[in-house]
Amino acid sequence: EAGVTQSPTHLIKTRGQQATLRCSPISGHTSVYWYQQALGLGLQFLLWYDEGEERNRGNFPPRFSGRQFPNYSSELNVNALELEDSALYLCASSLGTGGWNQPQHFGDGTRLSIL
Amino acid sequence: KQEVTQIPAALSVPEGENLVLNCSFTDSAIYNLQWFRQDPGKGLTSLLLIQSSQREQTSGRLNASLDKSSGRSTLYIAASQPGDSATYLCAVELSGGGADGLTFGKGTHLIIQP
Repeated sequence: EAGVTQSPTHLIKTRGQQATLRCSPISGHTSVYWYQQALGLGLQFLLWYDEGEERNRGNFPPRFSGRQFPNYSSELNVNALELEDSALYLCASSLGTGGWNQPQHFGDGTRLSIL
Repeated sequence: KQEVTQIPAALSVPEGENLVLNCSFTDSAIYNLQWFRQDPGKGLTSLLLIQSSQREQTSGRLNASLDKSSGRSTLYIAASQPGDSATYLCAVELSGGGADGLTFGKGTHLIIQP
């Protein structure tokens, strides 16, 4: 069974640009989560999508946004990039609101570097 | 606001030793707790999930315990091997269905010396 896949592996941008990160969940999973792992800050919850809708977001500004497609894959968009956005962005999937106490399964992440 | 703390931040032990990693959380009203491992430059691998009504979970050489009332969890690794070297993270889920995402500790960086 294929795990959570993320693309691209690495992304280099400059300040002010926009970045788009992509995630494909495990087959059968309807929930997708995005997390930011910045140096020294640990993993922080960014966004949760389930059944095509944004269900919740963490304490991040609106320039962090995304969407979930009908096939449950997801896209994270970061606008007006700032130096502090440099981080590993991890996507996770789970069975969603229909599957309580289900573990989240993570991809290998996209390393975003802002120059 | 829920805070998760992991002690120690780093640990280096010789191969074959049994070891304990600690995790504490400030709000005992959790839904479940998960332990993950993260290899350098990689994503997270789920190791064990303990529901709030459970006291422990076991998988192979790993045993995780949960004491919700005191806000503590431990991950016990038996007969450690060099392949166990990684960063171990604990995370709590505050409400069911994933509504709040997971709140993570900063991890314990474990090195097993051959």
